[in-house]
Amino acid sequence: GAVVSQHPSWVICKSGTSVKIECRSLDFQATTMFWYRQFPKQSLMLMATSNEGSKATYEQGVEKDKFLINHASLTLSTLTVTSAHPEDSSFYICSARPPGYQPQHFGDGTRLSIL
Amino acid sequence: RKEVEQDPGPFNVPEGATVAFNCTYSNSASQSFFWYRQDCRKEPKLLMSVYSSGNEDGRFTAQLNRASQYISLLIRDSKLSDSATYLCVVNTYNDMRFGAGTRLTVKP
Repeated sequence: GAVVSQHPSWVICKSGTSVKIECRSLDFQATTMFWYRQFPKQSLMLMATSNEGSKATYEQGVEKDKFLINHASLTLSTLTVTSAHPEDSSFYICSARPPGYQPQHFGDGTRLSIL
Repeated sequence: RKEVEQDPGPFNVPEGATVAFNCTYSNSASQSFFWYRQDCRKEPKLLMSVYSSGNEDGRFTAQLNRASQYISLLIRDSKLSDSATYLCVVNTYNDMRFGAGTRLTVKP
């Protein structure tokens, strides 16, 4: 069964709407979670590293005010795409891993379509 | 220079072929290494961990060379269902980096 749950799996909404995506680790506590974005036929791109109880670390070129990340507990991180526009339409994926050198597990991903 | 580099391919091979992918990493503090498989429009899924002693899982063999800082994945007797993108992932204790992925297409 899934060890990382991501919700929702599909979102279609109007331009200007803010969209929140949840990522939960089900079987373990994740001090670190990762958020990615993937456009069609392109590579997975890391957006940010989410650390429980502290500010997220964003990759270069990712707007932190546009993509708000909250990691308030050891099992939940959220990504909010604020005032989404059509160019934000993409496949958003999270991953989480137990502390140490264990592999990360990915959520099922969220397909975001902004009209 | 990217921290983790992979040949993006595509690798187009016939069924039954043996194919190998390499991945190089730049951070010598990296401690754990993995291969993931990503199918089109799906999330990556863990394929196997990679150890210095090498490890094998059926038709798949993974190898780590710490001195040269690269990992490899060998697929024997390719199946149509092996068609996917293969990502190498490199972890330090608090961070992880991954390659852009290598696209494999196995053809009948």
